[in-house]
Amino acid sequence: DVKVTQSSRYLVKRTGEKVFLECVQDMDHENMFWYRQDPGLGLRLIYFSYDVKMKEKGDIPEGYSVSREKKERFSLILESASTNQTSMYLCASRAQGEAGNTIYFGEGSWLTVV
Amino acid sequence: QKEVEQDPGPLSVPEGAIVSLNCTYSNSAFQYFMWYRQYSRKGPELLMYTYSSGNKEDGRFTAQVDKSSKYISLFIRDSQPSDSATYLCAMENTGFQKLVFGTGTRLLVSP
Repeated sequence: DVKVTQSSRYLVKRTGEKVFLECVQDMDHENMFWYRQDPGLGLRLIYFSYDVKMKEKGDIPEGYSVSREKKERFSLILESASTNQTSMYLCASRAQGEAGNTIYFGEGSWLTVV
Repeated sequence: QKEVEQDPGPLSVPEGAIVSLNCTYSNSAFQYFMWYRQYSRKGPELLMYTYSSGNKEDGRFTAQVDKSSKYISLFIRDSQPSDSATYLCAMENTGFQKLVFGTGTRLLVSP
């Protein structure tokens, strides 16, 4: 069974803290993604990576950075968390060259910044 | 104007009803059309996938794409309380550059 695992499901952080959200996939996929999901706004792409150490900005990269040191792991970093980053964060992966039907999502990480 | 428009609902129906969920889009380059189902506090899971225009059926679910009208639909027959979830449409062009999602429609099926 395919798996995208987000290790932290629920986090509460203080304003200004550095936050790491980790994502691991076991499908040997080249492409990995980070989205945030907010009511009324749907899924918005923050960053994606198409290879180890490669990254591309999505639609809303401001305030975020990413790291992909290994093929299976893609981390989202909030350098200095702010209250407007309270949201649900979704990691996803898919094989290179595959259409959207093969994108797989993790269960989501709920982040509250106070 | 958003690239993909989807009514957020909620859409409330009784068990056994036929449900129609819809999305409109503006980018004529979209060729791949997907429907995802998302239960509360879970990640989205792929429900249906269609390439270009036409219909696709899978059990109680039917996906339709009308590229001339830039309109896609998901029909659920004999709806069940377990179908209560948020349904997201998504679409992509042939270059697989970026998957664009609708905001999702929340469906509530009452017993």
